[in-house]
Amino acid sequence: DAGVIQSPRHEVTEMGQEVTLRCKPISGHDYLFWYRQTMMRGLELLIYFNNNVPIDDSGMPEDRFSAKMPNASFSTLKIQPSEPRDSAVYFCASREGHLYEQYFGPGTRLTVT
Amino acid sequence: AQTVTQSQPEMSVQEAETVTLSCTYDTSENNYYLFWYKQPPSRQMILVIRQEAYKQQNATENRFSVNFQKAAKSFSLKISDSQLGDTAMYFCAFMGRDQVHSGYALNFGKGTSLLVTP
Repeated sequence: DAGVIQSPRHEVTEMGQEVTLRCKPISGHDYLFWYRQTMMRGLELLIYFNNNVPIDDSGMPEDRFSAKMPNASFSTLKIQPSEPRDSAVYFCASREGHLYEQYFGPGTRLTVT
Repeated sequence: AQTVTQSQPEMSVQEAETVTLSCTYDTSENNYYLFWYKQPPSRQMILVIRQEAYKQQNATENRFSVNFQKAAKSFSLKISDSQLGDTAMYFCAFMGRDQVHSGYALNFGKGTSLLVTP
């Protein structure tokens, strides 16, 4: 298995632009998580899905952030409009059912100038 | 809400020596998992070791072992025979088993940066 795949690996954009981050979970995994990592706040959960349905989005910073999972093999995290404070590494992770281990993707480093 | 605290922002150890990273957590749950993740400069998150709260025996994975003190809500990581490749950020993480309260997501500490020197 190729593991969790994220694209792009790096993204540089200007303030005000729309940014879309993509994630392909491991086949067969029914939980998908989006995390954000910053120096100030560390690793924090943004949202997670179970069977493509958003279960908890309380970590989403504000209305500029949205996430979708149209099918079991694809999820997007969109920021519109982007701001410099959104600069961070965004991780996607997936897990199978009740098993404990989450598998992380390589992350997307987002820089908003 | 669960909180995870790592009180050591940075640590350094010489190659072949032993080092212990500290972690404490706060929860009202009785059944949960604890993890240590390693994040090298490549930024990939790698699971190092896990511990189920209902197990009294401390988990061990080769040179990595934990000291799990449930009553004290403490979960430290010991790295024996440190190697240069152990240089990384280490994150302690908590996962509850009550989906209503924790959602099976990971709550991470702020991390400890470990430097292994020759």
